[in-house]
Amino acid sequence: GESVGLHLPTLSVQEGDNSIINCAYSNSASDYFIWYKQESGKGPQFIIDIRSNMDKRQGQRVTVLLNKTVKHLSLQIAATQPGDSAVYFCAENRGVGGGSQGNLIFGKGTKLSVKP
Amino acid sequence: ETGVTQSPTHLIKTRGQQVTLRCSSQSGHNTVSWYQQALGQGPQFIFQYYREEENGRGNFPPRFSGLQFPNYSSELNVNALELDDSALYLCASSLQGDQPQHFGDGTRLSIL
Repeated sequence: GESVGLHLPTLSVQEGDNSIINCAYSNSASDYFIWYKQESGKGPQFIIDIRSNMDKRQGQRVTVLLNKTVKHLSLQIAATQPGDSAVYFCAENRGVGGGSQGNLIFGKGTKLSVKP
Repeated sequence: ETGVTQSPTHLIKTRGQQVTLRCSSQSGHNTVSWYQQALGQGPQFIFQYYREEENGRGNFPPRFSGLQFPNYSSELNVNALELDDSALYLCASSLQGDQPQHFGDGTRLSIL
């Protein structure tokens, strides 16, 4: 079936290390992907997005890599900080009409814990 | 720039009741989407509104309905509440087209 899933449910890293969170998707027609960070008691916070015509995109301390051949994307966080502790979701866009972004398919999430 | 705001933050209802949740979109955004997030799960798409009309719907029954107003704010209505409706309900706003959705902090709905 069509789904977006994450390889690891939990990830524990040392402060200052780099973190890599992985995500697999199954719909080869998907063309837009987003990473969100969700802290306890809050809504998902947009981190970075990438379209299928790209294989890499960088933001502030974050990089998203997209491998369309194996339908895999990853989020890399450089110099991980305690404030990065949260659940991270990748989401796959399924447009609902008129080319709009609408139906985001989320995975279950990866919980990132940063040890000081 | 004002972000997405949702009200109320918490709500307790009993089975069979009806509930209305509200969302104010981020300034400049014309599209609103609603999601249901069960504990320990990722958000699930309920529906999207654009130009005051439903613009796509996920796998939710008709007792989940919504509205969008001329100022782009939105309501989610759920009738005949069931225990399984207990969840965090998230609203996200965006511009129409390939633009990222920005979420509010949700309404935590508990059904007794």
